[in-house]
Amino acid sequence: DAGITQSPRHKVTETGTPVTLRCHQTENHRYMYWYRQDPGHGLRLIHYSYGVKDTDKGEVSDGYSVSRSKTEDFLLTLESATSSQTSVYFCAISESEGNNEQFFGPGTRLTVL
Amino acid sequence: GQNIDQPTEMTATEGAIVQINCTYQTSGFNGLFWYQQHAGEAPTFLSYNVLDGLEEKGRFSSFLSRSKGYSYLLLKELQMKDSASYLCAVTHHGDSSYKLIFGSGTRLLVRP
Repeated sequence: DAGITQSPRHKVTETGTPVTLRCHQTENHRYMYWYRQDPGHGLRLIHYSYGVKDTDKGEVSDGYSVSRSKTEDFLLTLESATSSQTSVYFCAISESEGNNEQFFGPGTRLTVL
Repeated sequence: GQNIDQPTEMTATEGAIVQINCTYQTSGFNGLFWYQQHAGEAPTFLSYNVLDGLEEKGRFSSFLSRSKGYSYLLLKELQMKDSASYLCAVTHHGDSSYKLIFGSGTRLLVRP
């Protein structure tokens, strides 16, 4: 299995508070991704990174920001959490784009009250 | 835009064969993935198709027709542990990057 961890695994927070989720990999893969998974929507890309300090938006990036200061860490921040951001968040990594499979972390279940 | 369709749920019997279909409409198509996801767990890679035809890997096979925007995942000799969601995802090449676009997944229930 790819060495990819996420922390925390579960979090409950209140509307309006900032939240940061961490993704850590030991595979030295260049590409890292943050997805959210909601019933009826499948996995949707929030942001991704193609190298240290290189990030770009996905299809559902509003209300989220990311940072990647080291190859192994990719942080997702909810600047002011809302109930619509209650979801399961998955981090993924890949060696390259295109035809390379993505390896997923175990997920973080976030509840915003 | 991009659109991926797959059935929401399917039920099959242990030992049988099941086919899960996926149709897609997308510009910049570059390949199609199938992932398996057990409840409460992360998706795991099953197969990748970029050319037309059938790719076989043990009990699982995946087929792609690029001209028809169609793929299927075939599971043979079903086992109870195959009860899971199966996610179809297409690689979309837009602007200067590739992204994976996922369908909503097909939940498969295998009954004894």
